[in-house]
Amino acid sequence: QQQVKQSPQSLIVQKGGISIINCAYENTAFDYFPWYQQFPGKGPALLIAIRPDVSEKKEGRFTISFNKSAKQFSLHIMDSQPGDSATYFCAASENRSGGGADGLTFGKGTHLIIQP
Amino acid sequence: DVKVTQSSRYLVKRTGEKVFLECVQDMDHENMFWYRQDPGLGLRLIYFSYDVKMKEKGDIPEGYSVSREKKERFSLILESASTNQTSMYLCASRFRGLAGLEYEQYFGPGTRLTVT
Repeated sequence: QQQVKQSPQSLIVQKGGISIINCAYENTAFDYFPWYQQFPGKGPALLIAIRPDVSEKKEGRFTISFNKSAKQFSLHIMDSQPGDSATYFCAASENRSGGGADGLTFGKGTHLIIQP
Repeated sequence: DVKVTQSSRYLVKRTGEKVFLECVQDMDHENMFWYRQDPGLGLRLIYFSYDVKMKEKGDIPEGYSVSREKKERFSLILESASTNQTSMYLCASRFRGLAGLEYEQYFGPGTRLTVT
């Protein structure tokens, strides 16, 4: 059972455009939703994260929109640049244990290409 | 800077061999994780550890075991390697912090394991 569904699998955006990646989750106990960025040959790195008590979080050109009732969240990259070309993963976790949550459940990833 | 290092970037082993993948973090993090990454499947959690000598199964623990004898080191063991364990293996660590809060997972660069 895939708990976090991510789309699209791949995305091509022109330089300066807006890149949008969507995720949907099933487990209503999830309470932390990060996005990770991965460049070839590197491990994933945290890009931005949100908790369900807010509907939007913005950091520079990156924005997470969160819709709790629809169980969906999305990543928007404004003014997309060639350096943003990477694989993006959404993820989710629930805090079941005191002192920290369990491991992350990841989406399958989106391969983003920004064309110059 | 947080640093998570993995003992090998590339590893080739034969079917039936016992394989050890080592991960070391230098930030005194309590939590450590092992994921495997496969094209089109994203990252999947194999095992995690809350603290020294503590371990919990993730989503796909079959065929794997782990060891955490020291806080900074988390080992993934393939008891008898099989070809379906050919994959990229990623280690991560995280500060445990306070209950109800989530802290960033820091990933190593990965070990690409090929089982022939």
